[in-house]
Formats: sequence, C-alpha cells, structure tokens
Amino acid sequence: KQEVTQIPAALSVPEGENLVLNCSFTDSAIYNLQWFRQDPGKGLTSLLLIQSSQREQTSGRLNASLDKSSGRSTLYIAASQPGDSATYLCAVGAGGSNYKLTFGKGTLLTVNP
Amino acid sequence: DAMVIQNPRYQVTQFGKPVTLSCSQTLNHNVMYWYQQKSSQAPKLLFHYYDKDFNNEADTPDNFQSRRPNTSFCFLDIRSPGLGDAAMYLCATSRVGTYTDTQYFGPGTRLTVL
Repeated sequence: KQEVTQIPAALSVPEGENLVLNCSFTDSAIYNLQWFRQDPGKGLTSLLLIQSSQREQTSGRLNASLDKSSGRSTLYIAASQPGDSATYLCAVGAGGSNYKLTFGKGTLLTVNP
Repeated sequence: DAMVIQNPRYQVTQFGKPVTLSCSQTLNHNVMYWYQQKSSQAPKLLFHYYDKDFNNEADTPDNFQSRRPNTSFCFLDIRSPGLGDAAMYLCATSRVGTYTDTQYFGPGTRLTVL
C-alpha cells in the first residue's frame, strides 16, 4: 500500500527566504507526482505535475523535483512571500486502469512579513 | 468562472439524519471524484466516476453512496451520518483520469454532525 509522508509538518520562515518542502513515498511504481496548495477551509489548487519520466517542473518561483528511484520529491519556493502561506500537499498517482492519487498530510507553511 | 462548484459550503446535520452534498462542473470532464479530508489529515478518496462507471474504494463505508445523473453533476449521500463523518468533503474532476491529467478541486463542503 502506497504511503506518502511530508516533512516537516509545519514550517515558519521570514519573508524573502528560499525554502524546501519534502515528500517521500514508499512505492516507486508511480505514474506522476503532483504538488497542491490548500488555503484554510478551501479546496486544493494544483501547482505542479511531474510525470514519472521527468526529473523536475518549474512554474514561476516554484520548482519541483522527482527522484522516483529513491521515492522522494522536493518543492522549492524561491523568495517566499506572505501570500505563499498555506498548506502544501504532495500526491502520487498510480494504479494503471484504476489510476488514483494518494496524498500526504501536507506541510503548513507560514511566511512572516 | 468557477469550474468545480460544491453546495452547500457548510452543512450541519444531526447524528443519523441523511445528508446529500452536491458537486457540479463546467469543465465537461469525464471523471469526478469524492474525497474526505479530516482535520490535518490527507484527503482520502471515497469513490470516483468515469462517465457513468462507478468505482468504489475498498475501504469506503457502505454509509457513503454516490450518484452521477449526468456529466455535470455528482452527489454524495451519507445515509446515517456518525460523529466520525464530520469532515471536509472535496469534489474533484479530471479530463480522462489518466496520469497526464491534473485534478481540479472544488472549494469543499464542511460537514458538521451534531
């Protein structure tokens, strides 16, 4: 059974700092990995999707990497801003004809002005 | 230009009183998903529809049912809510449910059981 772990559970940084969020998964037989953002009491917004054949994806100040063999992904946020404060969730996609996402519990990020 | 809409945003029900949550989409996606997310926990997939084909997760309690009358709408029915069913319920859609597709989430319905 796939298990997804995110470390740390919470992170507080001053504005402007670069930071890294970590995600690990137990079964490397995945099709893709996605990073989502969740604001308090809201739904999830997809940030980046990395196919299993890819090593990284970039969008603006965000860069996500994937090392499928070691079961790890990182989300790098450059020059953090208070508006980046949210919970960031990692999800791995697998299952072939019954493709589905398995989520981690997320990292709660607070960026202090 | 909301794409995945959930109603209501907040639902309060009594222990054992049936409740229905609604999800609609304007994306014309084939796949619709229902997730349950408890406080500080990972979203947990309950079931999904690929068009009219229903796919139930093995560990989804029988208390949870779903209907998809057409492409745009999907409903989550909780037949006899217990205190442990209090959670955020998230609806999501994807184009064809493959590994190339992003899932688009609605804002969620927060269910309180008294």
